[in-house]
Amino acid sequence: EEQLVESGGGLVQPGGSLRLSCEASGFTFTKFEMHWVRQAPGKGLHWVSYISDSGTTIHYADSVKGRFTISRDNAKSSLYLQMNSLRAEDTAIYFCARPARSSGSYLGFAFWGQGTLVTVSS
Amino acid sequence: DIQMTQSPSSLYATVGDRVSITCRASQTISNYLNWYQQKPGKAPKLLIYAASSLRSGVPSRFSGSASGTDFTLTISSLQPEDFATYYCQQSSTTPFTFGPGTKVDIK
Repeated sequence: EEQLVESGGGLVQPGGSLRLSCEASGFTFTKFEMHWVRQAPGKGLHWVSYISDSGTTIHYADSVKGRFTISRDNAKSSLYLQMNSLRAEDTAIYFCARPARSSGSYLGFAFWGQGTLVTVSS
Repeated sequence: DIQMTQSPSSLYATVGDRVSITCRASQTISNYLNWYQQKPGKAPKLLIYAASSLRSGVPSRFSGSASGTDFTLTISSLQPEDFATYYCQQSSTTPFTFGPGTKVDIK
């Protein structure tokens, strides 16, 4: 069964850092592009970042550009999001997500993790 | 960036009702439009991709259509398990923006 499991969320002070992880299982991780999507409490979905299957192509939302870094370790079937200079408005549940097939991001995100909560507060 | 709008923001309906939700893109996105359903405390679930293709396992009462930059999600006969929030998303270019959501509630 294809599965994505996020971890690494928690409470952090403004200006602090946090590293999220997303461990994949049940499929060949190296074949799939991956995304991070976040959702502030009681709010809608907001796309955060994209990384290609090889890790060579990366995109970010303007709201996190220069502060967040997406990466992946294909040997460990894991996706990461390094979050620096955190702000209160970064408080959200962070989901990792993948398309149904390789190079298929244009067809939507078919698989999602359960999410990990990041709270930025003093 | 491509902006996505949805209407209505919320609606009240009864089991058996036909429900339609509209999404509009700020510029041409071809048919790169997806629909998700989200229930409280859960991850979103992909229902429709490429504007009108039903994801495997999704009930056939869900359908999608497109006309230019306007897209519609229709639920032909609302079931109790369909009460949720629905989001559209464009996947034409990054950032892959989502609409603000439409909450479907019980009348």
